[in-house]
Amino acid sequence: AQSVTQLDSQVPVFEEAPVELRCNYSSSVSVYLFWYVQYPNQGLQLLLKYLSGSTLVKGINGFEAEFNKSQTSFHLRKPSVHISDTAEYFCAVSDTGRRALTFGSGTRLQVQP
Amino acid sequence: DTGVSQNPRHKITKRGQNVTFRCDPISEHNRLYWYRQTLGQGPEFLTYFQNEAQLEKSRLLSDRFSAERPKGSFSTLEIQRTEQGDSAMYLCASRARDSNTGELFFGEGSRLTVL
Repeated sequence: AQSVTQLDSQVPVFEEAPVELRCNYSSSVSVYLFWYVQYPNQGLQLLLKYLSGSTLVKGINGFEAEFNKSQTSFHLRKPSVHISDTAEYFCAVSDTGRRALTFGSGTRLQVQP
Repeated sequence: DTGVSQNPRHKITKRGQNVTFRCDPISEHNRLYWYRQTLGQGPEFLTYFQNEAQLEKSRLLSDRFSAERPKGSFSTLEIQRTEQGDSAMYLCASRARDSNTGELFFGEGSRLTVL
């Protein structure tokens, strides 16, 4: 069975500051990793994904994430956030054979002026 | 718009009533998923279809829940004898036939409120 732990339920940060949203996963097999963003009253939108290869993955809106196999982590980072980045962020894992994604409980990023 | 479409977007019902949600996936996506999301939580997997075949069901899917995808295109999720604990956002997602990465494309969800 797989599981995802997002260590912070809320992250307040000032505009233009850097941010890191933490994600750890548990799986007995190789995995694919994803970060999705959800704006209020909307569905989930893919930010970025790790499939294989380079452990540093770049996504949309200036976000990037680093896969660390030894620490089973996939933390999301942005060097300078905007007010418009205020949203809920979900980390998710899919093993290379299973069909569905398993999501973490989410981290609410609150960007303050 | 060729994204995943869900309706109704909002449904308010009284306890004990039946409700049905519809999902139209991205055209030619043969895989369709239903998730449930409660306030402050991440989406929880309910069930999955490949074409018209329902291949996987979560233990969360009690016998009051039934999902169908009769022609391998749109899908419906029915909840019978609704309970207040069924109040949640119901998300539908689809995946391309040739995708082996697990990436899902989500609709905007159907929010259910059971009074």
